[in-house]
Amino acid sequence: NAGVTQTPKFQVLKTGQSMTLQCAQDMNHEYMSWYRQDPGMGLRLIHYSVGAGITDQGEVPNGYNVSRSTTEDFPLRLLSAAPSQTSVYFCASTQGGYGYTFGSGTRLTVV
Amino acid sequence: DQQVKQNSPSLSVQEGRISILNCDYTNSMFDYFLWYKKYPAEGPTFLISISSIKDKNEDGRFTVFLNKSAKHLSLHIVPSQPGDSAVYFCAAREGGGSNYKLTFGKGTLLTVNP
Repeated sequence: NAGVTQTPKFQVLKTGQSMTLQCAQDMNHEYMSWYRQDPGMGLRLIHYSVGAGITDQGEVPNGYNVSRSTTEDFPLRLLSAAPSQTSVYFCASTQGGYGYTFGSGTRLTVV
Repeated sequence: DQQVKQNSPSLSVQEGRISILNCDYTNSMFDYFLWYKKYPAEGPTFLISISSIKDKNEDGRFTVFLNKSAKHLSLHIVPSQPGDSAVYFCAAREGGGSNYKLTFGKGTLLTVNP
C-alpha cells in the first residue's frame, strides 16, 4: 500500500529548463492537489484536480501546468524554471475531503 | 489576505507538560479543520480533525477545540513527548461540493525538551 508517491525526491535545474514532477496514488482518490512549501509561508496550493480530465488553479499557479489523464497520476510541469520556483513540492490526495494523504515531497533547486 | 493564521512561529515545552498550539481563521465558509504534523524531509501527516458542528474532538493525547464564534481552534497535546517535536500546520476546508481545497497556516515549530 504505497499511498502517494512522488518522484524525484531531489532535483537541481538551471534557469529556463523544463521538468515534470511526478505524483501517483494507488487509493483511487478522485481529488489530487499540488502544494509548495517555502520557509515561513506554510503550504500554498498550486493546482488541483477533482477527477480525471478536470483541473483548476490554486493560490500560486503561475509558471506551472498540470493535467489529469488518469485517476492515479497528477504530474506537475515547469515549462521554464525560475529561481523563484526553488521550493519543496508536495502532492496530496483525498476521497471525500476528510482524509488527505501527502507524498514525501520533491525538493527542487533552480540555479 | 491570510485566511488561516498561526501566530506563534515556535513553542517550547517540557516533556510531560501540556502543549497548546493555536490557530485563527477568517473565512466563515470553512467547515472542517485539520491538524498536520511535519518532520523535516518528510511529507505532512494527518494528526486530528474537527467538523464545524463539533467543539471538541479527542484522540489519545491529542485534543482539538473549536470556538466558532471566535473563529479559533487549538490543539492540545497532553502529555508532551520529545517525539512530538515537529512543525504543526493548521488547515481548513470550505464546505460544499467536491472542491476539497485546503488552506494552511504557516505552521508552528514545537520543541519538546526532555
